[in-house]
Amino acid sequence: DGGITQSPKYLFRKEGQNVTLSCEQNLNHDAMYWYRQDPGQGLRLIYYSQIVNDFQKGDIAEGYSVSREKKESFPLTVTSAQKNPTAFYLCASTRTSGAYEQYFGPGTRLTVT
Amino acid sequence: AQTVTQSQPEMSVQEAETVTLSCTYDTSESDYYLFWYKQPPSRQMILVIRQEAYKQQNATENRFSVNFQKAAKSFSLKISDSQLGDAAMYFCAYRLTGTASKLTFGTGTRLQVTL
Repeated sequence: DGGITQSPKYLFRKEGQNVTLSCEQNLNHDAMYWYRQDPGQGLRLIYYSQIVNDFQKGDIAEGYSVSREKKESFPLTVTSAQKNPTAFYLCASTRTSGAYEQYFGPGTRLTVT
Repeated sequence: AQTVTQSQPEMSVQEAETVTLSCTYDTSESDYYLFWYKQPPSRQMILVIRQEAYKQQNATENRFSVNFQKAAKSFSLKISDSQLGDAAMYFCAYRLTGTASKLTFGTGTRLQVTL
């Protein structure tokens, strides 16, 4: 079955440590996205990539970094510079032709203490 | 900048009844897409329905339909014959046409379905 996988589902880290969240898709989609979700808020875009080896900052990129070395993979690193990293993180992907509805992964809940 | 507003933080509906969730958006563009996504307790985002701004006809997907008022920049979701499985957060989202640009989301409406 085609889809998007994110691992792990729950992640715990100590403050000051960098942590990398995994996102893999086998939908052959060109574009991939990372969103952050906080209670009472909608999803906010962190980074997105429309093609391999290229990515753009979203609305809240500070304290995060990404890479796009393969079409299928778009890992997100939450660095120690991110002031409030505890959140639910969602990865999404889409085709770059047609209606472009985004398909989402199951998400990773990151808790930093 | 485009913004999406959902003014109803919570709504409740009885099973088998109909409920309408509101969404307004602000944009100076004429060509865009609007979406409703559902997020159940599992937190998996599921696309419910999509509307292209150039289409006057309102989109329908089984029990889900929209009322798209382009001039008023309004995009409401109607759920008919509500079921317990419809209980979830519902997010309205906007995206420009063209390349695969970002989605702009509203803050969501939590829908409760009661017996």
